[in-house]
Amino acid sequence: EAQVTQNPRYLITVTGKKLTVTCSQNMNHEYMSWYRQDPGLGLRQIYYSMNVEVTDKGDVPEGYKVSRKEKRNFPLILESPSPNQTSLYFCASSFAGTATEAFFGQGTRLTVV
Amino acid sequence: SQKIEQNSEALNIQEGKTATLTCNYTNYSPAYLQWYRQDPGRGPVFLLLIRENEKEKRKERLKVTFDTTLKQSLFHITASQPADSATYLCVHFGNEKLTFGTGTRLTIIP
Repeated sequence: EAQVTQNPRYLITVTGKKLTVTCSQNMNHEYMSWYRQDPGLGLRQIYYSMNVEVTDKGDVPEGYKVSRKEKRNFPLILESPSPNQTSLYFCASSFAGTATEAFFGQGTRLTVV
Repeated sequence: SQKIEQNSEALNIQEGKTATLTCNYTNYSPAYLQWYRQDPGRGPVFLLLIRENEKEKRKERLKVTFDTTLKQSLFHITASQPADSATYLCVHFGNEKLTFGTGTRLTIIP
């Protein structure tokens, strides 16, 4: 089954404690991206990757890191989480450069206290 | 940069009627627009894509139109059902990224 898998689904952490949210896709997509969703603000892109070893900042990259060492995986890293990073996060993948649909993961609800 | 605006934050429609959602874009005319459905706490799910040279696209009870003169796309659900209740997102892919509207929360009233 074609899917994007995020883990964990829910996470509560403390300020400053490094964390990683994993994202994996099984569709051989070149393009992967991370979004955060906040009430009234919609989905905003954090980082994206056009292919392996190629990553770029989206609209709200501050406080986040990503890596793309393999085509299928695109982890999101918060080196020192802060309460303003409390949000619902989504990973997505699609074929790059074509007008095709994006597939989204189930979401990760992060709370930083 | 491109901005996508969905003017109605919420829309209530009687079951069986046609729901019409509006998406307006600023700046340049996108090559295409996508529409997604999102249920609470879940990831968006792709519904339809319409290119700028297409006036209309249909899929079962769904219809999307694209008017480059008005810089607008309309999304219609005919014979609406309570199961159609969700948030609908208008999305543009350009400059290597997806730009989302804030969505319209549609409620179908039985």
